[in-house]
Amino acid sequence: EDKVVQSPLSLVVHEGDTVTLNCSYEVTNFRSLLWYKQEKKAPTFLFMLTSSGIEKKSGRLSSILDKKELFSILNITATQTGDSAVYLCAVEAYPGGSQGNLIFGKGTKLSVKP
Amino acid sequence: KAGVTQTPRYLIKTRGQQVTLSCSPISGHRSVSWYQQTPGQGLQFLFEYFSETQRNKGNFPGRFSGRQFSNSRSEMNVSTLELGDSALYLCASKPPAENYGYTFGSGTRLTVV
Repeated sequence: EDKVVQSPLSLVVHEGDTVTLNCSYEVTNFRSLLWYKQEKKAPTFLFMLTSSGIEKKSGRLSSILDKKELFSILNITATQTGDSAVYLCAVEAYPGGSQGNLIFGKGTKLSVKP
Repeated sequence: KAGVTQTPRYLIKTRGQQVTLSCSPISGHRSVSWYQQTPGQGLQFLFEYFSETQRNKGNFPGRFSGRQFSNSRSEMNVSTLELGDSALYLCASKPPAENYGYTFGSGTRLTVV
């Protein structure tokens, strides 16, 4: 069965720290890997990664994908209290599998203390 | 540009009842997927619709069903509700372009009592 595993499950840091969130996957019909931030309800889209070794950046957030080793990392530098959220990693598979198009990990709950 | 709209935001139902949830995708998005989110299981795929056709279905019992209309709006229905159906139900839509991610709605929080 396809699966996506995130680590750590939770993390507490102080403002200004840098954090690295991990996502490993075993998905047979890999299409892309996506990162989402979920604060209250709607997961909000952060990055979509399809090519190995190419870093995507948006402000203090960056992510990279390693398709050979089947993992991705999400880095957040100079963390702020507003970064507190659950970060979800999802692998998009080609249509047809019973687990659907997006297979999610359980998420990493990040808490940033002032 | 309007996002993905889900209604209602909250619902409280009694065991044995049925419920219908609605999702309006972003204009131009033809793919609509539904997910159930619970603290223990995380996000689990329910089904996906594309151009009014169910393209994919997750491992949920037949009490969970859905449909999509010609304007891409989608509904999901849960019959004979059970306590374990209490969850946040999220809808996501995706544009035709391949290099765009899914956009999620704010969800419907269903509580079964």
